[in-house]
Amino acid sequence: DTAVSQTPKYLVTQMGNDKSIKCEQNLGHDTMYWYKQDSKKFLKIMFSYNNKELIINETVPNRFSPKSPDKAHLNLHINSLELGDSAVYFCASSLKGTGEYEQYFGPGTRLTVT
Amino acid sequence: AQSVAQPEDQVNVAEGNPLTVKCTYSVSGNPYLFWYVQYPNRGLQFLLKYITGDNLVKGSYGFEAEFNKSQTSFHLKKPSALVSDSALYFCAVRDKPSGGYQKVTFGIGTKLQVIP
Repeated sequence: DTAVSQTPKYLVTQMGNDKSIKCEQNLGHDTMYWYKQDSKKFLKIMFSYNNKELIINETVPNRFSPKSPDKAHLNLHINSLELGDSAVYFCASSLKGTGEYEQYFGPGTRLTVT
Repeated sequence: AQSVAQPEDQVNVAEGNPLTVKCTYSVSGNPYLFWYVQYPNRGLQFLLKYITGDNLVKGSYGFEAEFNKSQTSFHLKKPSALVSDSALYFCAVRDKPSGGYQKVTFGIGTKLQVIP
């Protein structure tokens, strides 16, 4: 039974399109995250939600909009996709967002913008 | 500001030999330190963490790490490397909280190649 799941696993789309990535965790965790991993494998946090409340919002273009309908789900919507958005996007969760708890990562969504 | 450094892009080690993957950190308070592993085309997996207590931390798959406050290091070690240990390893750090929510900063990753 998958702990943190993401859909879709692969996403190929053209510049200018709008797309969404969904994430669900069945661990009962309070905190969820979105990370971007670029082609050099650098991992950068984008957003974090604690029990549906936005708690971390890094310097990310406002074309990226997270949404948490409940604490088990955190979706990422991207408007007007650009070539530079191509990356692997990881969702993660932790028991709480105070930093001492390990994070559980989803399998990733590979986004390719052409 | 907090930061974490992994000075080696890649570490090569022969199967059966001990391995070390280096990590140093810079934080304003007491650090919380983590190691994660990423296998190809997979998400990161938690290996171990140091929050407080014993400086030697044991984790999954036979890995351990030693917290060294004077050298601000948290190197990952394993006594005998396996070919299946070949993967990308990330060190991560965050400050001890003064309250509220904090983010974890990840290093750039070190590729471990275990040679048969």
